[in-house]
Amino acid sequence: DAGVIQSPRHEVTEMGQEVTLRCKPISGHDYLFWYRQTMMRGLELLIYFNNNVPIDDSGMPEDRFSAKMPNASFSTLKIQPSEPRDSAVYFCASRGDNQETQYFGPGTRLLVL
Amino acid sequence: AQSVTQPDIHITVSEGASLELRCNYSYGATPYLFWYVQSPGQGLQLLLKYFSGDTLVQGIKGFEAEFKRSQSSFNLRKPSVHWSDAAEYFCAVGPINTGTASKLTFGTGTRLQVTL
Repeated sequence: DAGVIQSPRHEVTEMGQEVTLRCKPISGHDYLFWYRQTMMRGLELLIYFNNNVPIDDSGMPEDRFSAKMPNASFSTLKIQPSEPRDSAVYFCASRGDNQETQYFGPGTRLLVL
Repeated sequence: AQSVTQPDIHITVSEGASLELRCNYSYGATPYLFWYVQSPGQGLQLLLKYFSGDTLVQGIKGFEAEFKRSQSSFNLRKPSVHWSDAAEYFCAVGPINTGTASKLTFGTGTRLQVTL
C-alpha cells in the first residue's frame, strides 16, 4: 500500500497566485481530511469528505480556500488568491469506514512570498 | 467541546533514559485517544491508540500509553529512548461515533530532543 500521496511536496509562490494542492487517499478509504499545520495554531482541520461529499468545512479559513473531491481517489485544496499568511504545511489524511485511525500523507510545505 | 493539552512544549532526555510525555484531554464521554509522531519534514505516523478495554496500550517502536479516566490523561511512555526517537509527538482525541467520521482534535505537540 502506497499510503496517502500528496503533491507537490513543496510549493513556493507569490502573493496573489493560485495554489492547488493534491491528495490521493488510501484505496478503499471513504473519508478524506485536509489539515493545516502552523507554528502559531498547530494542526487544524480544514475540511473533510465522506464518499466524495464535503461533510464539514467549518475549518476553512475564508472564501479564498476551496476543496473538491471529484472521485474516490483524488482531492484538491485550492487557494485563490494566496497570501503570505497561508504559508504552512498542509496535510491530507484518510480513513476507512467504521475505523477511527486517520492515516496522514507527507504534507505539502507551502510558502507564499 | 473536546480539547487536548500537552503541557510540555519541549523535552530533552538522554539516550537510554526513560520518557513520559503528558497528555490531558477534555471530553464529555469516553473518547478515542491517539498518539502520533512526526519526524522532521514528514507526515504524522500513528504510534498507538486507545478505544476501550485494557487501559495500557502498546504501540510501535516500543512505546506504550496508559489511559486514566480519573485523571483524563493518556500519557505516552518509553522505558529507554533511542536517538531516532527525536521528533514531535502529538496526542489527539476523537469522539466514539459509529458510522460517522470522528473529527480529531490535536494537542499542540511536544518536541522531543535526545542527547547522546
